[in-house]
Amino acid sequence: SQQGEEDPQALSIQEGENATMNCSYKTSINNLQWYRQNSGRGLVHLILIRSNEREKHSGRLRVTLDTSKKSSSLLITASRAADTASYFCATDKSVIQGAQKLVFGQGTRLTINP
Amino acid sequence: NAGVTQTPKFQVLKTGQSMTLQCAQDMNHEYMSWYRQDPGMGLRLIHYSVGAGITDQGEVPNGYNVSRSTTEDFPLRLLLAAPSQTSVYFCASRRGHYNSPLHFGNGTRLTVT
Repeated sequence: SQQGEEDPQALSIQEGENATMNCSYKTSINNLQWYRQNSGRGLVHLILIRSNEREKHSGRLRVTLDTSKKSSSLLITASRAADTASYFCATDKSVIQGAQKLVFGQGTRLTINP
Repeated sequence: NAGVTQTPKFQVLKTGQSMTLQCAQDMNHEYMSWYRQDPGMGLRLIHYSVGAGITDQGEVPNGYNVSRSTTEDFPLRLLLAAPSQTSVYFCASRRGHYNSPLHFGNGTRLTVT
């Protein structure tokens, strides 16, 4: 079953605007990760936030984590055409010590219009 | 470093045929995994391995076999292909610690007719 659920499923904005995507999950996590997928390619890791962290930045990316609400958001500021891609959140499901089953949501399709 | 390399990029099989999807990584990662990606379903974990000689099942293991004889390679075998296995398959690896990011290959697009 899916652990992470992204919202919205699709988002279309103008270049230069900010894009916000949300992710909700169901169970306790060790960390939450965001990935980007360009059409026809594999996923690329963007940012990892641990369960004891509340906010993390990487360039134009800002990720927040609210473990009480079991939710996270990814903010992309000053969007560019090259940001057009699908974005996925993923949460770990530790089964045994040192092992991880990273579970992905269905993704948000982001389109940046020039 | 080449990263994670998957072959082939595309494959068409007939129902009942078998094949092996290859995955190799040159980053000395302990952990390797296979996902399938279907429209509207996100990525679902098929099998994973935490090191040579150790494999375990993910969410959707039925119809697939894996083995891990070396750190570098993690092949995925389809023994009796079915149309339900039409999908895009991704191999991914990471360092052993669970707070490490996954590195993905570019995928194998498989069609079973």
